[in-house]
This record gives sequence, structure tokens and C-alpha cells, in this order.
Amino acid sequence: DTEVTQTPKHLVMGMTNKKSLKCEQHMGHRAMYWYKQKAKKPPELMFVYSYEKLSINESVPSRFSPECPNSSLLNLHLHALQPEDSALYLCASSQLSPRGRSYNEQFFGPGTRLTVL
Amino acid sequence: DAKTTQPNSMESNEEEPVHLPCNHSTISGTDYIHWYRQLPSQGPEYVIHGLTSNVNNRMASLAIAEDRKSSTLILHRATLRDAAVYYCILRPSTSGTYKYIFGTGTRLKVLA
Repeated sequence: DTEVTQTPKHLVMGMTNKKSLKCEQHMGHRAMYWYKQKAKKPPELMFVYSYEKLSINESVPSRFSPECPNSSLLNLHLHALQPEDSALYLCASSQLSPRGRSYNEQFFGPGTRLTVL
Repeated sequence: DAKTTQPNSMESNEEEPVHLPCNHSTISGTDYIHWYRQLPSQGPEYVIHGLTSNVNNRMASLAIAEDRKSSTLILHRATLRDAAVYYCILRPSTSGTYKYIFGTGTRLKVLA
């Protein structure tokens, strides 16, 4: 199984709502990532988890709250978002070497397209 | 973080080779060069990577300049399914972080 799955595919939410994005992989990868991609722009890294611990936060606003409950699952909790947060949210995973450095290939999911009204 | 520069768009005829260039003049000695592509309505997918030597795999070839300040992704025979945005990315190998900094990418259009 070389697949990263993301749910939901599409999400529409108001600025006062709380919602969550889910990402799952069963490749045994111990690094997982959240990216944000605006239309016609490249993906931008948001968070990196290594061995279920947050290792990189790219100065993301606190209205985005990541969670890695186990080695296969990555969540992104959303609260009080703004319309400019509307984007495609991509999850990715990769293997880690025993010293915690990533192997070469990141596997991406298809993304969740988020619209904030 | 070192940056990459790519042309915004390129066109190719079907079944002809395509050479996609990438400039990375600030590359450090330990940065790996990665290429990913993103088909419409999909997440990026890995294409190829290299450090110093040219590399080949079933999808493409990667030619790296001797000074490593540029590289070229070569698709040997473009098909309509190769129409995508191609990203050239530098990944540090020594920092212990796992960051990809995507460049602006090249949108490849394949003409039938």
C-alpha cells in the first residue's frame, strides 16, 4: 500500500466553525507533513511530525492545530479560520532513517480543498 | 534556504523529448536536487532526485551540471499524461530537517 489518503476531499466552513482534516498512511513512514497550496502556487510547508512529535512549525497561525495521534494518522484541526485560508491542504509522508533524517521521497495525498466563507 | 528558478511554462509535442531546466545558483555542496510533478487535481508525485551524477529511472532522466548550479529533467518521450506542473526542489541533507521548499514550477503542456 503506497497511498496517502485524505478526508474529506472538499470542505466548506464558516469562520466560526471548528473542523478537522484527516490524513492516513500505512507505509510505516514515521515522518508526516502538512502543506498548504493556494491556486496556481507551489505547496508551502506548514508542519512536520517526526516519530509522532512536532518537529517543524513554519510559523503557522494558531487557528491551525496539528495532531499526530499515532504513526499512521495525522490530523489538522481548524478553528476560526479566515477566507484567505481557503486553499488545498496536502498531507505527505516519508520514511525516516534511524537518525531521524528523511529518506528521499515524500508521498503526497490528493489533498482536501477547503473553502472558508 | 537555497532557491530554484524555473520557466513558468513549456510546450512539447507528443512523443518528443522534453528538457525542463532548473537554475539553483545558490546550491550548497550537500543539497540534493529533487523533481516532483503535480498532475491536475492531484498531490505532487516524486519523479527523480540526484546529488552530483546524472540519474535515470523509469520515469525520466536528470542531468546535473558539473558546477551543480543548474539541472535538467528529461522526459524521453512526452505523452499527454505527462502534462503537469514540474517542480525542482533542493533538499538539504545535513540539517536534520525534512523541508521541501518548492520553486514556482514549470507548467508543461503536451500537444497531441
